[in-house]
Amino acid sequence: AQKITQTQPGMFVQEKEAVTLDCTYDTSDPSYGLFWYKQPSSGEMIFLIYQGSYDQQNATEGRYSLNFQKARKSANLVISASQLGDSAMYFCAMRSLSYNTDKLIFGTGTRLQVFP
Amino acid sequence: NAGVMQNPRHLVRRRGQEARLRCSPMKGHSHVYWYRQLPEEGLKFMVYLQKENIIDESGMPKERFSAEFPKEGPSILRIQQVVRGDSAAYFCASSPSPGQGSNQPQHFGDGTRLSIL
Repeated sequence: AQKITQTQPGMFVQEKEAVTLDCTYDTSDPSYGLFWYKQPSSGEMIFLIYQGSYDQQNATEGRYSLNFQKARKSANLVISASQLGDSAMYFCAMRSLSYNTDKLIFGTGTRLQVFP
Repeated sequence: NAGVMQNPRHLVRRRGQEARLRCSPMKGHSHVYWYRQLPEEGLKFMVYLQKENIIDESGMPKERFSAEFPKEGPSILRIQQVVRGDSAAYFCASSPSPGQGSNQPQHFGDGTRLSIL
């Protein structure tokens, strides 16, 4: 069975500093994708970044980067130069690419608070 | 706005009534997914549909819940005889035809907050 674990219920970071949000996963699928979504207090789900299990390089999207360690089954999100607007819930999710189920399995999320 | 459109944004029902939640996918997207988010929890997959077909309903409760995605019109998530435990945010997402090995993200709507009195 697939599972996503986010062990940090809450994190604090000062503006302009970098922060790492942890995500570990469990799957027996040989091919899978890992996603990070942001959910601000207004409630919408915003796609941030994607990492495929066979990608050779870690994904980056602007201030977001994904520290992918396949052997450890971890896919941590790194936010550089934090901004006040980064305060939100962050969800890690996984999708099997081996079978045509296509559903996302989500973790329980990490609430990030950026302070001045 | 070419994003995923969900309505209503908020829905209040009394116990025993029916709730209908609507979702129009992004233009060009033929795959729709429904997720439920209980307070302070992550999203839980409910059902995955293509036009006129249910592909995966492994996350749907066995009773009272149904979903459809007709040839014309939005996808509908229907909850009959609602109970207090159905109070949650219901999110719809869409993606283009994924195929195997797809890295296409699912794009989410803003959700419907369902409150049961």
